[in-house]
Amino acid sequence: GENVEQHPSTLSVQEGDSAVIKCTYSDSASNYFPWYKQELGKGPQLIIDIRSNVGEKKDQRIAVTLNKTAKHFSLHITETQPEDSAVYFCAASEDTGFQKLVFGTGTRLLVSP
Amino acid sequence: GAVVSQHPSWVICKSGTSVKIECRSLDFQATTMFWYRQFPKQSLMLMATSNEGSKATYEQGVEKDKFLINHASLTLSTLTVTSAHPEDSSFYICSALGQGDSPLHFGNGTRLTVT
Repeated sequence: GENVEQHPSTLSVQEGDSAVIKCTYSDSASNYFPWYKQELGKGPQLIIDIRSNVGEKKDQRIAVTLNKTAKHFSLHITETQPEDSAVYFCAASEDTGFQKLVFGTGTRLLVSP
Repeated sequence: GAVVSQHPSWVICKSGTSVKIECRSLDFQATTMFWYRQFPKQSLMLMATSNEGSKATYEQGVEKDKFLINHASLTLSTLTVTSAHPEDSSFYICSALGQGDSPLHFGNGTRLTVT
C-alpha cells in the first residue's frame, strides 16, 4: 500500500521568512495530493491540493509543487505569519473520487514574530 | 462552504461503557464518510470507510465489533466505541466526501477520554 513520508517534523522560522515542507510517496498510482493545516484540538483543514496532471499550483502565499517522476511533492509558504503556526500534513490518494487518503507524519511549524 | 459537524467535541466515559460520536455533513450529501483516529502528536490513521446504506469497510487491525459504524443517511454517520477501555482514549475525526471532484471535508474531531 501507499506510504507517505514527511520532513521536517518540526520547523521554526521568523515571521516573513519562507517555509518549505517536503513529502515523498511510494505508490506511483497515487494521483491526488492535498495539504492540510491542523490547529490544536481541531480537525484538519484543506489549504491546497494538486492533482497528477499539474506540476505546480499557487494560492496567494501558498504553493505546492509535484514531481511525479521522483514521487515527491512540497508545500511552500511565503511571507509567513504567526497565524501560520500549526501542524501541517501532506497526504496522497490513488483515487480522487474516493479519496482514501494516506497521511504523512506531520510537520509542526512555528512562526516567531 | 461545505461544513462537517462532529459531536460531541469531547467526552469522558468510564471503562466498560459505550460512546457514540456523530458526524454530519451540513450542506451537502455524503455517500462516503471516513473515520480516523489520532494519538497525540501523531498523524491521522484511517479506521474505516463508511458508505451510506451498506456496511462499513474497516482497515486492518481495527475491530469492527468494537468500533461500530452506522451510515443511515446521506448526511449522518455514527461511530460507537463499545466497552471502552483507557487505551481507546484518543482524538477521533471524521471526514465526508461530497459529489464529483469536491475535496474531502473534515470535522473538528472528538476527544475521548476513558477513565
